Amino acid sequence: NAGVTQTPKFQVLKTGQSMTLQCAQDMNHNSMYWYRQDPGMGLRLIYYSASEGTTDKGEVPNGYNVSRLNKREFSLRLESAAPSQTSVYFCASSLPLNTEAFFGQGTRLTVV
Amino acid sequence: GDSVTQMEGPVTLSEEAFLTINCTYTATGYPSLFWYVQYPGEGLQLLLKATKADDKGSNKGFEATYRKETTSFHLEKGSVQVSDSAVYFCALREARGSTLGRLYFGRGTQLTVWP
Repeated sequence: NAGVTQTPKFQVLKTGQSMTLQCAQDMNHNSMYWYRQDPGMGLRLIYYSASEGTTDKGEVPNGYNVSRLNKREFSLRLESAAPSQTSVYFCASSLPLNTEAFFGQGTRLTVV
Repeated sequence: GDSVTQMEGPVTLSEEAFLTINCTYTATGYPSLFWYVQYPGEGLQLLLKATKADDKGSNKGFEATYRKETTSFHLEKGSVQVSDSAVYFCALREARGSTLGRLYFGRGTQLTVWP
C-alpha cells in the first residue's frame, strides 16, 4: 500500500519555466491538499480539493494552479516559476471531517 | 479564520528530560486537533489526535489533551529519547459542519535531544 506518492522528489527550475508536481493516493480519500513548507513558516495551504471536481484556494494560492484529475490524483502547476517559489511541497489526503491527513514524502523545488 | 499558534523553538533537552510544547488555537466551533512529527528528510506523520473537548490523544509516550476552555492542545512527554529529535507540528481541522474541512498547521517546533 503506497499511500500518497509525489513526483518528482527533487527539481531545479529556471525563473520563468513551468512544471507540474504530481500527486496520487491509493486510500480512496475524498480530500486532497497541497502545502508548501518554508523555514520558520510551518506548512501553508496552497490549494485544497474536498472531492473530485472541486478545488478551493488556501492561504497562498498566487502563482499556482491545480487540477483534481480524478479521485486519486491532484496536480499542482507552476506556470512561470519564480525564486520565491523555492520550497518543499507536500501533498496530503484525508477522509472527510475530523480525520487526519496522510502526507507524501515531499518535492524539493529550487528556482534559480 | 481558524489558526494555530505554536511555541517557538528550537527546544534542546537532555535525554530523560520532561517535554512540553505549547499549542493554542483559534477556531469556530469544535475543530479536531492533531500533533504531527517530521523526521529529517521525510514527510509528516501523525503522532496523535483528539476530536472533541477533554479527549486525550496519546502515542509513543506522548500525550496531549484537548482543552476547550483554554483553547489549547499542549504536547507532553515524561522522558524524551534521542530518537525523539524531530520537528513537531500542531494542527487543526475545521469543525464538523464546515463545507471545507481544511487543515491548518502551526509553524513547527524543532526538538533536539542530547544523550
